[in-house]
Amino acid sequence: AQSVSQHNHHVILSEAASLELGCNYSYGGTVNLFWYVQYPGQHLQLLLKYFSGDPLVKGIKGFEAEFIKSKFSFNLRKPSVQWSDTAEYFCAVRDDNAGNMLTFGGGTRLMVKP
Amino acid sequence: DAGVTQSPTHLIKTRGQHVTLRCSPISGHKSVSWYQQVLGQGPQFIFQYYEKEERGRGNFPDRFSARQFPNYSSELNVNALLLGDSALYLCASSLWEGYGYTFGSGTRLTVV
Repeated sequence: AQSVSQHNHHVILSEAASLELGCNYSYGGTVNLFWYVQYPGQHLQLLLKYFSGDPLVKGIKGFEAEFIKSKFSFNLRKPSVQWSDTAEYFCAVRDDNAGNMLTFGGGTRLMVKP
Repeated sequence: DAGVTQSPTHLIKTRGQHVTLRCSPISGHKSVSWYQQVLGQGPQFIFQYYEKEERGRGNFPDRFSARQFPNYSSELNVNALLLGDSALYLCASSLWEGYGYTFGSGTRLTVV
């Protein structure tokens, strides 16, 4: 069965610092990859997704992610974080062996200090 | 445009009771999925429906059931509630299978 690992459970950064959140998955076949963000008290929102093509994906709010198939990774990056980026971030994977189920990682809680 | 709508937003039930949660997908979306998010964890897949047929089921007991109606709205039913069923229940809709998923705000279920 697919598993998704987000190794950083809690990250604390100062404003303007660069961000990279790790995401690794286990299944080696065809995958679709997603990053969702959950702001305090709000619902999950899609940041970006990868289906095929250019492995460098740009999303909303200045976020981007790079799919590296050989490393089973889909890390999320932002060059300069803002206080408003304080939220929980979830990586999710859909693979062609599991129908339409999304498998989520455990989440990374990001706190940005002003 | 209305997003994914879930009702109720909060619910408190007693152990052993039954609960029904409701979801209205984005207009035009034919696929609805249900997820359970326990505090401090990522969402876990429960069910997926497309065109009123069950297309996927996660590792949840038979106490959990769901259905999708002709207007593509959906219900999640949980029987014989346990304390461990306390969680945020999320509904996600998608234009078609495998496409991007839009999540609702969820129903916070507390079992006492």
